[in-house]
Amino acid sequence: RKEVEQDPGPFNVPEGATVAFNCTYSNSASQSFFWYRQDCRKEPKLLMSVYSSGNEDGRFTAQLNRASQYISLLIRDSKLSDSATYLCLIYNQGGKLIFGQGTELSVKP
Amino acid sequence: GAVVSQHPSWVICKSGTSVKIECRSLDFQATTMFWYRQFPKQSLMLMATSNEGSKATYEQGVEKDKFLINHASLTLSTLTVTSAHPEDSSFYICSAREGSRNTEAFFGQGTRLTVV
Repeated sequence: RKEVEQDPGPFNVPEGATVAFNCTYSNSASQSFFWYRQDCRKEPKLLMSVYSSGNEDGRFTAQLNRASQYISLLIRDSKLSDSATYLCLIYNQGGKLIFGQGTELSVKP
Repeated sequence: GAVVSQHPSWVICKSGTSVKIECRSLDFQATTMFWYRQFPKQSLMLMATSNEGSKATYEQGVEKDKFLINHASLTLSTLTVTSAHPEDSSFYICSAREGSRNTEAFFGQGTRLTVV
């Protein structure tokens, strides 16, 4: 089993839709959690950190569920510009930064 | 935000030659740097983790003699792909973070390596 796993993609949604991604992790001692966005052939860019209490930034909401060992990302009112690959990144107890395999989102007009 | 500069952004080399990729943190001290490789339509796979002044820790399946990592200072790490072959063609990207466990990781722009 991979240490970090994400929902398989691609997700094809119409503009204005709400879409959610999950990312599960196997190491219960994992310490920090992040969502990154990667556009084609570019480096990943931080979308938001994930805090224990959950956090929101505009149309984006991130949550952490330690009991079930997953993080989630919710995107409301999807825009065409949201089309990208969304990666979860987890800092595990061993000091490694591990990516999920990424979920591709395609928002259509 | 913090900046990580990776150079070169792309390189084409002949099979059998070596290629060095540099990763610099421009405005913070990167106590830990990570090197990733990404093949087309695949995820970013961690190759190795390096702490300044220490030997890198390589992931299973990554040949340490082929992918030489040096992290001699708090602002510079290098990855050298030795005796490159076409199957090494990939997108290589570095990441750096300061010591605090809750700080985000900053990524270089990536290096697209093509071995012909």
